Amino acid sequence: NAGVTQTPKFQVLKTGQSMTLQCAQDMNHNSMYWYRQDPGMGLRLIYYSASEGTTDKGEVPNGYNVSRLNKREFSLRLESAAPSQTSVYFCASSGQTGDGEAFFGQGTRLTVV
Amino acid sequence: GENVEQHPSTLSVQEGDSAVIKCTYSDSASNYFPWYKQELGKRPQLIIDIRSNVGEKKDQRIAVTLNKTAKHFSLHITETQPEDSAVYFCAALFSGGYNKLIFGAGTRLAVHP
Repeated sequence: NAGVTQTPKFQVLKTGQSMTLQCAQDMNHNSMYWYRQDPGMGLRLIYYSASEGTTDKGEVPNGYNVSRLNKREFSLRLESAAPSQTSVYFCASSGQTGDGEAFFGQGTRLTVV
Repeated sequence: GENVEQHPSTLSVQEGDSAVIKCTYSDSASNYFPWYKQELGKRPQLIIDIRSNVGEKKDQRIAVTLNKTAKHFSLHITETQPEDSAVYFCAALFSGGYNKLIFGAGTRLAVHP
């Protein structure tokens, strides 16, 4: 089992460019999450999906969109990147009802110049 | 809204000492409280978790306590070792029909030989 696979690992964007971060899990989990991690600010929830077909805003959703393509895949899109979106992004998934271990992807280090 | 506060932000101890990290959460309906460890450059990984029907849980040198009335929970690490040096995150699952896993801002623990 691969667990949670997240791509790309690194990305540099120019201000105004768009991109999609991909995430897939092979553990048959219902809940999937996107977080951003900035120094001193922990893991802040961008969007989450409690089950296939549903998505909800987290703590810092502005400037992002998500798609729960199917049970396995949950993508994060930046339509018009800004320097404030420079961060490390983590995708995570957790079990049937959410109250179980959340498994994280390897992270994407995004720099917007 | 849903919120998790974590203290202290940094903690420095001598090898063999104990370390305590404390968290509070805002929603009394939360019922699942995990703790994650993140080593430099790596993804967060679960080290211990506790559910609301339990007041304390131990796993070797690590223990977590939960006080639902006061809405706070704590991580205790005894006999600390240099390999315990990392960033530790508490989290709370805010449910009620959805599953929103919110993290604290993290504690950077340094264990000095």
